[in-house]
Amino acid sequence: KAGVTQTPRYLIKTRGQQVTLSCSPISGHRSVSWYQQTPGQGLQFLFEYFSETQRNKGNFPGRFSGRQFSNSRSEMNVSTLELGDSALYLCASSLSPGTGSYEQYFGPGTRLTVT
Amino acid sequence: EDQVTQSPEALRLQEGESSSLNCSYTVSGLRGLFWYRQDPGKGPEFLFTLYSAGEEKEKERLKATLTKKESFLHITAPKPEDSATYLCAVLATNAGKSTFGDGTTLTVKP
Repeated sequence: KAGVTQTPRYLIKTRGQQVTLSCSPISGHRSVSWYQQTPGQGLQFLFEYFSETQRNKGNFPGRFSGRQFSNSRSEMNVSTLELGDSALYLCASSLSPGTGSYEQYFGPGTRLTVT
Repeated sequence: EDQVTQSPEALRLQEGESSSLNCSYTVSGLRGLFWYRQDPGKGPEFLFTLYSAGEEKEKERLKATLTKKESFLHITAPKPEDSATYLCAVLATNAGKSTFGDGTTLTVKP
C-alpha cells in the first residue's frame, strides 16, 4: 500500500509570497492533519480535516489555511510568507475518527525556506 | 492543557548498551499514547500505540510500556541503525488532536 505523499518536497520562496502544499493520504484514510516542525518548536499542530471539513485547528495565524477534497487529498496554503515560516511541513493521515485506530502515518514532508 | 515531556533530550549509547527513553504526560483522560521514530529530514514513522496502564508492546529491539503518568521506550542491545529521534505523543479523550513531545535523539556508536 502506498504511503502518504507530499509535493513539492522542497520549496524556496520570498517574504510576502504565498505557497500551496499538497498531501495525498494513504488509500482508505480519510483524516488528514498538518504539522509544522522547526528545531526550536518541535512538532506544532496546524489543523485536521475529515470529510472535507476542518475538525480541529492549532494556534496559528489566519495566514495558514487548508482544505480537503472529496478524495481525501488535502492542501495547505500560507499567504504573506514570513521568515519564521521556514520549516518542515508534515502531513499525516489516519483512519476515520471513531474507528478506535488513532495512529498517524506521516509523509516525507515539504521543506519550505523563506528568504 | 495536555502536556508531554520527554527525557533525556539526547542519549548516546555504545552498540549493545541497553537503555530506556522516558515520556511523562499529563492529560485529563488518555485515549492513546503513541511512539514514533524520525530520521533526519524525514517524516515520523509510527512505532506503537498504547491504550491503558500496564500495556506493553514490542518490535524487534524496542519495547514500549505504559503507566498512568509515563511511558518508557526500552531499547535492548541497540545497533547503529537505531539512531534516530524518538517522539512520544498523547491523544486525550476530549481532544481532537495529538500533543507531541520534543523527542529524544538517540545516537548509537558502533
